[in-house]
Amino acid sequence: EDKVVQSPLSLVVHEGDTVTLNCSYEVTNFRSLLWYKQEKKAPTFLFMLTSSGIEKKSGRLSSILDKKELFSILNITATQTGDSAVYLCAAGGTSYGKLTFGQGTILTVHP
Amino acid sequence: NAGVTQTPKFQVLKTGQSMTLQCAQDMNHNSMYWYRQDPGMGLRLIYYSASEGTTDKGEVPNGYNVSRLNKREFSLRLESAAPSQTSVYFCATCRLTKNTGELFFGEGSRLTVL
Repeated sequence: EDKVVQSPLSLVVHEGDTVTLNCSYEVTNFRSLLWYKQEKKAPTFLFMLTSSGIEKKSGRLSSILDKKELFSILNITATQTGDSAVYLCAAGGTSYGKLTFGQGTILTVHP
Repeated sequence: NAGVTQTPKFQVLKTGQSMTLQCAQDMNHNSMYWYRQDPGMGLRLIYYSASEGTTDKGEVPNGYNVSRLNKREFSLRLESAAPSQTSVYFCATCRLTKNTGELFFGEGSRLTVL
């Protein structure tokens, strides 16, 4: 059975802090790992990683994948209150769109 | 540009009632999906449709049926609702990239079964 586990489940920080969110996975015929940000409604796409060791970066967010150790991390530097959200990690195999999601990490950033 | 549109956004049912959640997309994607989201459990796949005319079960299909009406529309039906089906339901489409796919989600439908 495919499985994705995120840690920590929740995190409270202050503006300006740096956070690291973790995601480990066990997925048959793994092809990709995706990170989503979910505020009040629909998850919105952040990153998709398919290759080990190649960092993806978007502003203050970055992510990297380790296919040997079967995990990914999402880093957020200089956090802002607008970063408060649930961050979802998902892993996919050969069937596109059939993703296995982790439980999510609830990030709260205080001013 | 609407993307993925779900209706209704909120619904309250009594146990045993039936209802259909509607999903329509204007992204011209072939694949469509229904996920449910429950606290502490992430999103779980209920059913999916890889292309018009095909549907397949996901991780948690029991108690649900689906119809892929055409390329744009994919509906989810609860024939006899149960309290365990209280959840937030998300419809999604998949944009295929080089070797994999990225999901685009609708805004969700919050269903409560009393």
